[in-house]
Amino acid sequence: SQQGEEDPQALSIQEGENATMNCSYKTSINNLQWYRQNSGRGLVHLILIRSNEREKHSGRLRVTLDTSKKSSSLLITASRAADTASYFCATNNAGNMLTFGGGTRLMVKP
Amino acid sequence: EPEVTQTPSHQVTQMGQEVILRCVPISNHLYFYWYRQILGQKVEFLVSFYNNEISEKSEIFDDQFSVERPDGSNFTLKIRSTKLEDSAMYFCASSATVGNTIYFGEGSWLTVV
Repeated sequence: SQQGEEDPQALSIQEGENATMNCSYKTSINNLQWYRQNSGRGLVHLILIRSNEREKHSGRLRVTLDTSKKSSSLLITASRAADTASYFCATNNAGNMLTFGGGTRLMVKP
Repeated sequence: EPEVTQTPSHQVTQMGQEVILRCVPISNHLYFYWYRQILGQKVEFLVSFYNNEISEKSEIFDDQFSVERPDGSNFTLKIRSTKLEDSAMYFCASSATVGNTIYFGEGSWLTVV
């Protein structure tokens, strides 16, 4: 598989539940960034986590990074219908290029 | 909050025509990028630009593509002779420094017919 693969590809939950999305990658990284994309819209930056960090929080978002397993997870707590979107991880290795995964399509049912 | 702005939001063009997509990066940012997303596929890197020159480019960014910073605020992507397979959402992005957050615009939908 390619750099930055998300799992699952699609996730459907009820409002109020937590959503966990995972990302795996193959090569060493400088940082990993999570983005949200509403259908047909732009990429909204959520969190950047550096290779020497293990966990970061932003509001209802929690991101972890395990460089030994080359994986990251994004947890959205107490989900809302407005969280319905596609979520992408993107890895930044040497240089400044981001390599995106295929994304997780999250649907939060009211 | 500062944002990357892109125009046009949607453009339909005939195959073989030249297209210019425009972007205004965040004002104090020094690194600029173009990415594209073909419908239903991954977001793909095209090119990065720093200090008035290309710093990295992907295999997609062939001789049909060019970028320019014509003045202190705009950053453009030109496709010389569009093909059907160039139909995609094109995202402009910028960052302050290497290894920092990369901010994306809302994208420009390009449809080649």
